[in-house]
Amino acid sequence: AQSVAQPEDQVNVAEGNPLTVKCTYSVSGNPYLFWYVQYPNRGLQFLLKYITGDNLVKGSYGFEAEFNKSQTSFHLKKPSALVSDSALYFCAVFSGNTGKLIFGQGTTLQVKP
Amino acid sequence: DSGVTQTPKHLITATGQRVTLRCSPRSGDLSVYWYQQSLDQGLQFLIQYYNGEERAKGNILERFSAQQFPDLHSELNLSSLELGDSALYFCASSGGSDYNEQFFGPGTRLTVL
Repeated sequence: AQSVAQPEDQVNVAEGNPLTVKCTYSVSGNPYLFWYVQYPNRGLQFLLKYITGDNLVKGSYGFEAEFNKSQTSFHLKKPSALVSDSALYFCAVFSGNTGKLIFGQGTTLQVKP
Repeated sequence: DSGVTQTPKHLITATGQRVTLRCSPRSGDLSVYWYQQSLDQGLQFLIQYYNGEERAKGNILERFSAQQFPDLHSELNLSSLELGDSALYFCASSGGSDYNEQFFGPGTRLTVL
């Protein structure tokens, strides 16, 4: 069965420190992987995606993610966190078998000054 | 602003009632997706339409139905409402390819009393 796991409900980092939000997936065939961010009372915003090619993907607002096929992971990273990065982050995988975008449960990122 | 619009923003209704949520996709997008977001279930895919035709179905209840009209706007109909249907309902649109990112609307917050 296709699934996405975000093992941490919340990640706390200090402003200026690097951040990582973890994501692992399970899907048949080649994965299409996405990260979205949701600010309070807003819809989800696309950050970045991996379809094929370079395992390191760069996205919006200085975020990047690394695709690791052997570990079936797609962790979101940023070298230096900002207070304004505090939000709810969703990892998602597209399943070609089902034609659905499957979301993880979300990870709340809290960046403290 | 994602370019996806949803109306109404808020909806308060009683159990047993029926409501209709409306979504206008980004200009040129042929695919429309509906999602339900609740605290206990997370973000759940409901249904996808592509150029007027149903393309993929998720965990959509039989009491719920959707359609996409020739002008590509979509409506999600929720009937015989129950307390547990209270949630945020998001519409998203994309160009239609599996690897295209989805653009989310601001959501409709449904409260069933």
